[in-house]
Amino acid sequence: GQSLEQPSEVTAVEGAIVQINCTYQTSGFYGLSWYQQHDGGAPTFLSYNALDGLEETGRFSSFLSRSDSYGYLLLQELQMKDSASYFCAVFLYNTDKLIFGTGTRLQVFP
Amino acid sequence: DGGITQSPKYLFRKEGQNVTLSCEQNLNHDAMYWYRQDPGQGLRLIYYSQIVNDFQKGDIAEGYSVSREKKESFPLTVTSAQKNPTAFYLCATQRDKARTGANVLTFGAGSRLTVL
Repeated sequence: GQSLEQPSEVTAVEGAIVQINCTYQTSGFYGLSWYQQHDGGAPTFLSYNALDGLEETGRFSSFLSRSDSYGYLLLQELQMKDSASYFCAVFLYNTDKLIFGTGTRLQVFP
Repeated sequence: DGGITQSPKYLFRKEGQNVTLSCEQNLNHDAMYWYRQDPGQGLRLIYYSQIVNDFQKGDIAEGYSVSREKKESFPLTVTSAQKNPTAFYLCATQRDKARTGANVLTFGAGSRLTVL
């Protein structure tokens, strides 16, 4: 079956850098996306990797390696407002389904 | 403002009752999705629809039903056959399929269903 695995929780302090990993077992997909969800809220899109390599969007960067079935989200200069859950997701070939990873809860401390 | 409206925001029901969650969008997006989220867990796909009058089962469709009679609307019915329906339900839309694009989903604010 299709699965995307993430660590359940990550903690860090303000100003630090944190990496959230996503390892997957899926058939073909178009690219790897990342979404952020604050408690009680709706997920919002953060970034996307269509090709292998690093994509940078402000303080956030995302990486994909299809040969290693692996990606990550890198958050720099952490702020308290970054405390949220983060999900990787892939859009599968042929089925038009977007499936999500298990999610990582990030807690940022002062 | 364009967006997705889910209602009700909170819903309580007794065991054995069917309940319908509403999802309305004015984004003119073609595709619509329903996801279920349990506490501390990821999003699991229930049903999705790419065009009007057509929809497909997701990974956990048992105990749920949908309809797509209008482009703007994609209601989800949680039936009494769903064994553990207490969860947070999220509706999402997608503008169009892109073979090389991000296929970004836009989510509604969600409906929280509690079975008493």
